[in-house]
Amino acid sequence: DAKTTQPNSMESNEEEPVHLPCNHSTISGTDYIHWYRQLPSQGPEYVIHGLTSNVNNRMASLAIAEDRKSSTLILHRATLRDAAVYYCILSPKNSGGSNYKLTFGKGTLLTVNP
Amino acid sequence: DSGVTQTPKHLITATGQRVTLRCSPRSGDLSVYWYQQSLDQGLQFLIQYYNGEERAKGNILERFSAQQFPDLHSELNLSSLELGDSALYFCASSLSLTHQPDTQYFGPGTRLTVL
Repeated sequence: DAKTTQPNSMESNEEEPVHLPCNHSTISGTDYIHWYRQLPSQGPEYVIHGLTSNVNNRMASLAIAEDRKSSTLILHRATLRDAAVYYCILSPKNSGGSNYKLTFGKGTLLTVNP
Repeated sequence: DSGVTQTPKHLITATGQRVTLRCSPRSGDLSVYWYQQSLDQGLQFLIQYYNGEERAKGNILERFSAQQFPDLHSELNLSSLELGDSALYFCASSLSLTHQPDTQYFGPGTRLTVL
């Protein structure tokens, strides 16, 4: 599986935007970029995914570099409930095989200050 | 609430014992995944089932086994338990193998403590 690199931790203030970076320089042309987060004492939760174009949903935005070697998860207005570990994960696009497992790294621990 | 349920929430047992963790996937999901989260190893994929059949194996010990039943619920069996098996065990489900990408929805986990 292609590797991702994320900062160990980041800090933000409530109601300010947060930009969480992820480097994936060995990404292949068919790898999806997923973001999941894990709130304290909970299971991981899907946030967003993308392939080549920037994506928006109700939780966040995903900005993907033109060369796809990096991406940024954007939380437009951080709240205290966004404090979590954020994981950037690559998964291969495949033709129906068994490559759907998620390989979690250490992620970025986001602290949101009131 | 992801729609994935796991029981029990907590389990305390002794070394050498055997336990069974249960997972009910979201309605309509055919794939079930098991993950283990420990302090030193982080979140690790164990095994995947799709519609009753094993589809992928990760770092699952031979002492561990799983199955998916016709009603699509899954059980993870852990035997000859060791102290190092103490961890959070998460189940996730997803729609199918052909739906790409297949978002996984995680349950709340079972916390296993081996004394």
